[in-house]
Amino acid sequence: AQTVTQSQPEMSVQEAETVTLSCTYDTSENNYYLFWYKQPPSRQMILVIRQEAYKQQNATENRFSVNFQKAAKSFSLKISDSQLGDTAMYFCAFTPTSGTYKYIFGTGTRLKVLA
Amino acid sequence: KAGVTQTPRYLIKTRGQQVTLSCSPISGHRSVSWYQQTPGQGLQFLFEYFSETQRNKGNFPGRFSGRQFSNSRSEMNVSTLELGDSALYLCASSLEWGNTIYFGEGSWLTVV
Repeated sequence: AQTVTQSQPEMSVQEAETVTLSCTYDTSENNYYLFWYKQPPSRQMILVIRQEAYKQQNATENRFSVNFQKAAKSFSLKISDSQLGDTAMYFCAFTPTSGTYKYIFGTGTRLKVLA
Repeated sequence: KAGVTQTPRYLIKTRGQQVTLSCSPISGHRSVSWYQQTPGQGLQFLFEYFSETQRNKGNFPGRFSGRQFSNSRSEMNVSTLELGDSALYLCASSLEWGNTIYFGEGSWLTVV
């Protein structure tokens, strides 16, 4: 079975500091996509970053970057220079390219940025 | 470009009733998928449609059904509502599978 595990239900970080959210996944697939989505209190799911498994280079988007370790099946999200607006629920998600046509989500990490 | 639009945003239904939720994808997107989000279960996949065909279905009872129209708009229906169906129902669209999915704001369903 394909699963995504986020072992940190809640985290907090001081404004302007750096925080890393963990995500591990389990799959026998070789080709897949990994995502981090952010869900603020408004509940709108917003894409933060996307990684294609065949790419060794870690994806970055401004203050957000990932540490993708394919062999370890690990996909952590690093947020640098944390801002109050980063306060949200963060979901790690996985989908294989083999055409299951569904995303598998982790249970989320609630991040609170403190002023 | 307009995002994914879901209607209604909020609704309250009584046990035993049925409900229909609507989703209009981003223009040009042909894949529409649905997820149920609850505090205890996180996001659970319901189904995915592409060009009016259901390509995958999650582990939900037959009371949950959906369809997609020729303009890619999608509806999901839940019949014989139960208290446990109370949840946020999220719709997402993408150009094709493998592309990023973009979510709507969701439909909050409360069953009393």
